Amino acid sequence: SQTIHQWPATLVQPVGSPLSLECTVEGTSNPNLYWYRQAAGRGLQLLFYSVGIGQISSEVPQNLSASRPQDRQFILSSKKLLLSDSGFYLCAWSLQDYEQYFGPGTRLTVT
Amino acid sequence: DAKTTQPPSMDCAEGRAANLPCNHSTISGNEYVYWYRQIHSQGPQYIIHGLKNNETNEMASLIITEDRKSSTLILPHATLRDTAVYYCIVRAPDNYGQNFVFGPGTRLSVLP
Repeated sequence: SQTIHQWPATLVQPVGSPLSLECTVEGTSNPNLYWYRQAAGRGLQLLFYSVGIGQISSEVPQNLSASRPQDRQFILSSKKLLLSDSGFYLCAWSLQDYEQYFGPGTRLTVT
Repeated sequence: DAKTTQPPSMDCAEGRAANLPCNHSTISGNEYVYWYRQIHSQGPQYIIHGLKNNETNEMASLIITEDRKSSTLILPHATLRDTAVYYCIVRAPDNYGQNFVFGPGTRLSVLP
């Protein structure tokens, strides 16, 4: 069966520091991968999606970037964090089927 | 923008059926209706999806009106662990998924 991992589970970082969040998927090949952010009490906002290695599409301009160095690895990064980057970051995967499956999330607090 | 409208909150007694409505009056012919839920501090969990026929799985039933402009998610015997935010999403299948939009959802509280 397929499994999706995210780490770290929680992270507290100062403003201006870099960020690297990692997501990996097991048990499937060539998945579509997604990064979402959820601010407190809000719905999910799609940040990036990828349909293959090295292929990244951005949904909104922001202080973040994404990379997909391997088929089942998706990384969310920032060179300098802002206070507004705080939130709950979720990685998800899907195949050419229809539903997306989400990881456990990373709660980021920028201080 | 989300293409769906859901009540912001609902209560349900434990053991009773929870019926969560969703309006999607602008749904297109190739768009499916999906339901997810999110328990506090966890990632969203897929529940069910359908196109025009009613669907049932081990978690829930999905009833879609004949004109497809609204649907209802039914949890037949709600438990305290079903307390969560429930999201109704309409989306056409494609290879990219960029139009998977989560709105504010319905916060379901199952009461003892």
